[in-house]
Amino acid sequence: QSDLTQPSSVSATPGQPVTISCSGSNSNIGSNYVFWYQQLPGSAPTLLIYTNNRRPSGVPDRFSGSKSGTSASLAISGLRSEDEAHYYCAAWDDSLSGVVFGGGTQLTVL
Amino acid sequence: QVQLQASGPGLVKTSETLSLTCSVSGDSMIAYYWNWVRQPAGGGLEWIGRIHVSGSTNYNPSLKSRVTMTLDTSKKFFSLSLKSVTAADTAVYFCAREATRRAWFDPWGQGTRVTVFS
Repeated sequence: QSDLTQPSSVSATPGQPVTISCSGSNSNIGSNYVFWYQQLPGSAPTLLIYTNNRRPSGVPDRFSGSKSGTSASLAISGLRSEDEAHYYCAAWDDSLSGVVFGGGTQLTVL
Repeated sequence: QVQLQASGPGLVKTSETLSLTCSVSGDSMIAYYWNWVRQPAGGGLEWIGRIHVSGSTNYNPSLKSRVTMTLDTSKKFFSLSLKSVTAADTAVYFCAREATRRAWFDPWGQGTRVTVFS
């Protein structure tokens, strides 16, 4: 059981929007930045969103992040087949003095 | 551009110590935290711990009693030692640089697979 809660899977058709939620607590999301990572099959994770809602260079603006209270969300607009991957949220946890990850969400493009 | 390369023995016997190394190229190790994250087959990511050039460390409380991390800035590598391994430690182990905010991992190494056998 992970410290951050994500849906195990989501799916949508190409061109449709999709949102992945990440629920935490006051000690992690509620008081620290949220990061999102994309993991393509057979690859290492890569940074997708940093400090709640910023995109690294090279990440399409179809990807956006938001945070409110103890929850965060990753939104993907205009879904494409290459977006099929696992997505993880992460945050520092003040109570644990460590990093916590969500359990991961598998995105399927139908 | 910084690159990380994790390496180590692919097989470790139950109850022995797992030792991995992550080589860093393309940038200085100063001013960053250096992390280990693992992923069992078909599972999610689990943070193991981190080390700073100052010697400061933070470990996952669930692994803390078995984990040691070290770092050598002159040779540009950091290492993970996990003792008394069991089958539950079988996973792909990733190393990652932590940027200016905690949990900001970029880049990641390619990962090295470790299987614990009896």
